[in-house]
Amino acid sequence: AQRVTQPEKLLSVFKGAPVELKCNYSYSGSPELFWYVQYSRQRLQLLLRHISRESIKGFTADLNKGETSFHLKKPFAQEEDSAMYYCALRRYTGGFKTIFGAGTRLFVKA
Amino acid sequence: GAGVSQSPSNKVTEKGKDVELRCDPISGHTALYWYRQSLGQGLEFLIYFQGNSAPDKSGLPSDRFSAERTGGSVSTLTIQRTQQEDSAVYLCASSLSGTENTEAFFGQGTRLTVV
Repeated sequence: AQRVTQPEKLLSVFKGAPVELKCNYSYSGSPELFWYVQYSRQRLQLLLRHISRESIKGFTADLNKGETSFHLKKPFAQEEDSAMYYCALRRYTGGFKTIFGAGTRLFVKA
Repeated sequence: GAGVSQSPSNKVTEKGKDVELRCDPISGHTALYWYRQSLGQGLEFLIYFQGNSAPDKSGLPSDRFSAERTGGSVSTLTIQRTQQEDSAVYLCASSLSGTENTEAFFGQGTRLTVV
């Protein structure tokens, strides 16, 4: 079965420290992977997608097919990065369907 | 508007009453999703529509929950005989279906409180 796992419900780091939010997936096909973010009192929104290989707000995520992982990383966390982060897998099943992980709450301390 | 719109934004209802939550997706988005976000919890998948049909209803927690979509656009999530454990934020999202690597766009959610 297709599944997205985010093992950490809460991650707390100090400002300026590196941060890594873990995401593992199970999918037999070629995955489309995304990271979404939800800041306080804002709607859930796309942060980045693996196909773009982009850096957004200093965050990057590399798809590792061997480890079936798509971890989100930032070398120096900022207080404004505090939010809920969701890893998502999009797959085709009579149409494209997006499956979300349970989410990780990142708290960046001053 | 250009985004996903949900109504009402807040709903307080008495236990045992029925409620209807509405979602207006982005025009042209054939895929529509309902999720539930309980306090302090992540996203819980409820149902997925492709056009007007629902190929995956596996997330609906009980037969008190139902959803429909008409005209390939507006969707309504209905909860019958509400219980206190139904209290949560209900999120709707839509996306293009036939295109690779397009993201889901979320509404602002409906906060349901059952008292």
